[in-house]
Amino acid sequence: GQQLNQSPQSMFIQEGEDVSMNCTSSSIFNTWLWYKQDPGEGPVLLIALYKAGELTSNGRLTAQFGITRKDSFLNISASIPSDVGIYFCAGQQGSNNDMRFGAGTRLTVKP
Amino acid sequence: NAGVMQNPRHLVRRRGQEARLRCSPMKGHSHVYWYRQLPEEGLKFMVYLQKENIIDESGMPKERFSAEFPKEGPSILRIQQVVRGDSAAYFCASSPGTGEEQYFGPGTRLTVT
Repeated sequence: GQQLNQSPQSMFIQEGEDVSMNCTSSSIFNTWLWYKQDPGEGPVLLIALYKAGELTSNGRLTAQFGITRKDSFLNISASIPSDVGIYFCAGQQGSNNDMRFGAGTRLTVKP
Repeated sequence: NAGVMQNPRHLVRRRGQEARLRCSPMKGHSHVYWYRQLPEEGLKFMVYLQKENIIDESGMPKERFSAEFPKEGPSILRIQQVVRGDSAAYFCASSPGTGEEQYFGPGTRLTVT
């Protein structure tokens, strides 16, 4: 199946710093989504992107759908301790709706 | 509006037993998806169902695993004759229609002893 390469695998940052993570693929996707997962919980949808080149914000989060349709990035500005968790990118293609997930970026924020 | 519900949250089974995992989609959602997550890994797609139909089961192991989404009641993921390698977190997601965002439940953590 399609492979999503997500990087970095983990990040250790100081509270107040900005964070950037990205996802790339050799396949084209029609939709890119970013989820956050807290320990013991299911992923929570943060941002969904539907058009190539689209830039969308949700509070301190900004995500972009790459022009080539093969990549996306997520930025978090002015990080706070509750940003800690695992962030997953997901790509969706075709009408069958199945999503492919990246392996995740584990974010640690030091107060 | 209640979110996606899954039960049980934790399930312990001995090797060879059957595991039944339930998922109730969000109100108004008729599309259900099952994913499996191993520790420190991303989610792997298993199966996509609409009411009474399996649309895509390309991620489902050919043996011992089955899924259904009946006209009435929750979607069920059934694993027969469980083995230790089946231990994982199983997540269900739902969406209102094709191509729309999927919302996840809290997951069922299956442990096979």
